[in-house]
Amino acid sequence: DAKTTQPPSMDCAEGRAANLPCNHSTISGNEYVYWYRQIHSQGPQYIIHGLKNNETNEMASLIITEDRKSSTLILPHATLRDTAVYYCIVRVGMYSGGGADGLTFGKGTHLIIQP
Amino acid sequence: DTGVSQNPRHKITKRGQNVTFRCDPISEHNRLYWYRQTLGQGPEFLTYFQNEAQLEKSRLLSDRFSAERPKGSFSTLEIQRTEQGDSAMYLCASSLGQEMGTNEKLFFGSGTQLSVL
Repeated sequence: DAKTTQPPSMDCAEGRAANLPCNHSTISGNEYVYWYRQIHSQGPQYIIHGLKNNETNEMASLIITEDRKSSTLILPHATLRDTAVYYCIVRVGMYSGGGADGLTFGKGTHLIIQP
Repeated sequence: DTGVSQNPRHKITKRGQNVTFRCDPISEHNRLYWYRQTLGQGPEFLTYFQNEAQLEKSRLLSDRFSAERPKGSFSTLEIQRTEQGDSAMYLCASSLGQEMGTNEKLFFGSGTQLSVL
């Protein structure tokens, strides 16, 4: 699976949009971008994933650059409960011949929402 | 509660003792994963099951570790002869494991925090 690079920490004011960047310059054509987050003392929580197109769900938006070498997770109106470690992961889809081994988590970005 | 359940939440043991953790996945999920997480690090993959079959094991899973999922439902992770380096959060996750052509979401439990003294 391709390696990802994320800033170790970020701050964002409550009510503002939080934009979390991720670089994945070695991503290959069949690798998806996944985002998970982990709130203190809990297990990771799935947020969103995408291949080429931008994606949006009830939690967040995922913007993937045209060359797919980087992406941004956007939390449109951050709240204090969004304080967590956010993990960007790239991997081959489980049914794309890439096997079904577990996701490879890095250290992620510690997002702190300030009141 | 229909989420992934792990027991116990905390376990303190002395070095050399054996410990066993249990994971109850979401009921219709066929795949079950075990991860380990140490302080300041992201979770590390240990092993996973498709129904009752253990299909992959990480190099992190030494001979002292064994995982089972006998009836394809709950799973246990046993660590024999614990060492201080085994102190970590042990996380379980499950996923549907059925849909072809899609990419699956993993649902994690809250983990079992192991402290080896």
